[in-house]
Amino acid sequence: QKEVEQNSGPLSVPEGAIASLNCTYSDRGSQSFFWYRQYSGKSPELIMFIYSNGDKEDGRFTAQLNKASQYVSLLIRDSQPSDSATYLCAVAAGNYGGSQGNLIFGKGTKLSVKP
Amino acid sequence: NAGVMQNPRHLVRRRGQEARLRCSPMKGHSHVYWYRQLPEEGLKFMVYLQKENIIDESGMPKERFSAEFPKEGPSILRIQQVVRGDSAAYFCASSPPLVYTQYFGPGTRLTVL
Repeated sequence: QKEVEQNSGPLSVPEGAIASLNCTYSDRGSQSFFWYRQYSGKSPELIMFIYSNGDKEDGRFTAQLNKASQYVSLLIRDSQPSDSATYLCAVAAGNYGGSQGNLIFGKGTKLSVKP
Repeated sequence: NAGVMQNPRHLVRRRGQEARLRCSPMKGHSHVYWYRQLPEEGLKFMVYLQKENIIDESGMPKERFSAEFPKEGPSILRIQQVVRGDSAAYFCASSPPLVYTQYFGPGTRLTVL
């Protein structure tokens, strides 16, 4: 059973600080990783995806992948109150080109950015 | 550039009735996924479809639930004889071929009385 684990939080950071969100996954063969943001009562919104070891930056967001440690993280620089949401880590269930196209989600980490 | 569309956004059914949830993928996307999110729970995969084909239904309950994605028209998730435990948010996502990146629709919130 493939699993994705996240600390449920809540994670509270002051405005302007760096928020660090972490995720571990159980299947060493996983290749594709995603971060979604979900505001209360809304649908998940894709923030970033990462396939290769290392860092990937997009604006205030940086995704980090360490396949040896089976660890994915999301850093949010200069956190804003509007970043307050639940952040979902997801891992593609299959290998590229396989039939298992679905994503396996963690339960999410609730982030609160205090003004 | 319309995103993934789902309707209805809210659906109320009494126990024993049928619920039909519809999903139109983003333009150019031929893959559709259905997920269910129970209150305070994570998103759980239900079924993965391409046009006229069910690719993976390993997350779908064996009874009362079915899904289709016809050649023409939206994908439909059908729940027969609903029970209170079916109350949840049902999300549809779509992706282009050979890409795992999925974009979600606004969801259908099903309430079973």
